[in-house]
Order: sequence, then C-alpha cells, then structure tokens
Amino acid sequence: SSELTQDPAVSVALGQTVRITCQGDSLRRYYASWYQQKPGQAPVVVLYINNNRPSGIPDRFSGSSSGNTASLTITGAQAEDEADYYCSSRDSSGNHVVFGGGTKLTVL
Amino acid sequence: QLQLQGSGPGRVKPSETLSLTCTVSGGSINSKDYYWGWIRQPPGKGLEWIGSIYYGGSTYYNPSLKSRVTISVDTSKEQFSLRLSSVTAADTATYYCAREHDDTSGYCWFDSWGQGTLVTVSS
Repeated sequence: SSELTQDPAVSVALGQTVRITCQGDSLRRYYASWYQQKPGQAPVVVLYINNNRPSGIPDRFSGSSSGNTASLTITGAQAEDEADYYCSSRDSSGNHVVFGGGTKLTVL
Repeated sequence: QLQLQGSGPGRVKPSETLSLTCTVSGGSINSKDYYWGWIRQPPGKGLEWIGSIYYGGSTYYNPSLKSRVTISVDTSKEQFSLRLSSVTAADTATYYCAREHDDTSGYCWFDSWGQGTLVTVSS
C-alpha cells in the first residue's frame, strides 16, 4: 500500500478548473512532485517542489500544499490534459521515495 | 537534451533474475545533483519506486523489494543497471529508468524518464 493517497478518478468539464489531491503524513515535511502519464507513454513531471513547473509545462498547472495534503490544480482544463496523474514524495522516514496510487482525469 | 534508454530481455522465467540496463546520453551520469532510479508499473496499475543509485555507488531501495534488488552503476559507460532476483508473475511490469533530482532540502523528483521496457515473467 502507498503512503500517499489519491482519489482514483476525477472528471472536469472542458475549460473548467479541477483540483487533484494527494494525502500523506510525509507531506507535512516534504513537498510533492506531480507526474502526468498518457496511455502508452512514460510519465512526465509537471510540477516539482510543490509549485515549480519545468519548462514547457503550461501555466494552467499549479500546485499547493497544506498540512498533509498536496494539490495539483488545472485552471482551464484542456482535452490534452486527460491523463493519469501521480504524486510523489519522500516517505515519512525521509529515506525512500513513494508514489500515490494515481488519479485518472477525464475531461468532458 | 538528456536521454535515457532502457534495454534488456522482454521475458524472464519465474525464479530467475531480471536484468535491465539504462544508458544515459546527452548528459553525464557523473552529476552531483542527481541520483539515477528505477520505477516500475504493472499493467493497468500505478507507479512503484524500486530504488536509486548515485554515481559514486551509494544506493537506496524500496524496503518491500530490498532483499531482491541490486542497482549498480558503470560511469565509464554512462550506464546504470537493475537486477531483480527470484521473479514471479507479480514482477511483470513496464520498468522505467529515470533521473532523480535531489535538492539540498531533501526534496526529490524525477525530471527525465526512459521510454520504459515491458518485462513479462512467464515460463
């Protein structure tokens, strides 16, 4: 079982805002990173250290953190944002890496 | 542009050892800010971190796999490798190699991934 918990599925209407959450005790100490994975492709990092976007990632992707919960927000979701999203961080000991179970985002 | 290319057998028999290699190009494996990691994904399931290695050879592993995993690095070839022993059908997965960026505050993230290698455990 994962030390990071995500909702299995979330949906959003085209152009609307959606928040994907990740919960875990380690998030009180360590910021999360977020990965987007489309079918048949390798994951791609979309946010790191909570709210930093790699070059090439649209600014509609943003992150936040409060207590034991990290959030990925997509403001104005596009059809191409439909994908699986995974959070990741250190575990509670700080000695290992863990991934959340993933959230399947559907854009309606 | 950093590229990671995984390679290895696509099929392994039960009880045998899975061996994969990741070749790094467009950058150096001898980078003090990075670890080099392996992550796997069973068909239709989520991501699982297996372990990571520093260019100097220090490693850390997923506790659930630690007894069966060895990760090594060959800096002269710009490669790092994964060995997973005593495999079963539960080890069937796509195996990704990735660059792990570690910062001084302890945060980490995987900023570059290989394309993935599907390994099936079957007799």
